[in-house]
Amino acid sequence: GQSLEQPSEVTAVEGAIVQINCTYQTSGFYGLSWYQQHDGGAPTFLSYNALDGLEETGRFSSFLSRSDSYGYLLLQELQMKDSASYFCAVRSDSGYSTLTFGKGTMLLVSP
Amino acid sequence: EPEVTQTPSHQVTQMGQEVILRCVPISNHLYFYWYRQILGQKVEFLVSFYNNEISEKSEIFDDQFSVERPDGSNFTLKIRSTKLEDSAMYFCASSEIGTGANVLTFGAGSRLTVL
Repeated sequence: GQSLEQPSEVTAVEGAIVQINCTYQTSGFYGLSWYQQHDGGAPTFLSYNALDGLEETGRFSSFLSRSDSYGYLLLQELQMKDSASYFCAVRSDSGYSTLTFGKGTMLLVSP
Repeated sequence: EPEVTQTPSHQVTQMGQEVILRCVPISNHLYFYWYRQILGQKVEFLVSFYNNEISEKSEIFDDQFSVERPDGSNFTLKIRSTKLEDSAMYFCASSEIGTGANVLTFGAGSRLTVL
């Protein structure tokens, strides 16, 4: 099976930088993804890493180290609207892929 | 921007009743999924569907659950005899194939309340 660990909650102030870590254990590995969810609404895709290194998409970046089974999501220039839950998810099957989600990290951004 | 649409947005039902949740995936997507999220918990995989058949299913997806693509656009989740613990938000999602399968587009969800 697979398991993912991420912090349950992170707090930060507007304009700051925050890093949300994710460690995973899987029987195979085909990528780590990040999704954002506001107030129980539809999860929205943010970023995906299949190979080691940093992927940058605007204010958001995601990092992966396959040797450490570890990744993180970096959010820069935090805005109030970034207050949400962030889920890491792994794809661990090379066939018809299934994303398994972590328990989520609630990010609270204060003024 | 293309979106996944789900109906109903909220359904209240009595324990033991059958429920059908409906989804219209993005038209050029080939993978379809159902996930559920119990309030305050993580998003849990139920089932994936490709080429008119189930690709994978989780332990949650027992004999009480079924999925169907009755026509070219709809994708449904049926719960035959609902239990209290089925109360959750049910999300439909769709994706492209290959590496695109890492990018799921979710619908807004159907909240199921079982009394």
